Amino acid sequence: AQRVTQPEKLLSVFKGAPVELKCNYSYSGSPELFWYVQYSRQRLQLLLRHISRESIKGFTADLNKGETSFHLKKPFAQEEDSAMYYCALRTPGGSEKLVFGKGTKLTVNP
Amino acid sequence: GAGVSQSPSNKVTEKGKDVELRCDPISGHTALYWYRQSLGQGLEFLIYFQGNSAPDKSGLPSDRFSAERTGGSVSTLTIQRTQQEDSAVYLCASSLATGLGSPLHFGNGTRLTVT
Repeated sequence: AQRVTQPEKLLSVFKGAPVELKCNYSYSGSPELFWYVQYSRQRLQLLLRHISRESIKGFTADLNKGETSFHLKKPFAQEEDSAMYYCALRTPGGSEKLVFGKGTKLTVNP
Repeated sequence: GAGVSQSPSNKVTEKGKDVELRCDPISGHTALYWYRQSLGQGLEFLIYFQGNSAPDKSGLPSDRFSAERTGGSVSTLTIQRTQQEDSAVYLCASSLATGLGSPLHFGNGTRLTVT
């Protein structure tokens, strides 16, 4: 079965510091990978997806098939980045469901 | 236009009672998903609809849980004989299509508390 692992429940950094939220997955093929974010008192929303190879709010994520990872990175964290971050996987050709990790709560301190 | 709408936003019920949770997806979105969000457990997939049919209902925890979708639009998640372990936030999401790159748009959720 597909599985997404986010090893850090909590991550705390200072403003201006680099941040990396880890995501590893278990799937032997070529998955679709996403990062979703939930800010305080807001709904869960898409941050970025690997297929678009985009940078959103300064965040990037690179799919590493060799390491089965899709870590989320930002060179200079901002206080407004504080939120809950979820990595998610969908397997092409199978069920259309997204499998989510358990999430990492990021706190950016002033 | 409006996003995914869920009602009620909060529901407190007594153990053993039945509850119905409603989801109005974004107009035109053919795919609809139900997830459950519990503290420390992340998002747990429950069921997914394509149109009115449910190709994957593998995440429903027990036969007390059921869901339907009518007219390719509104969906209802029903929990019968609620138990305390059913307490969680139930999230609905919709997407324009399935397949490559289609993101999910989430509602605000229904917070269910079983006393």
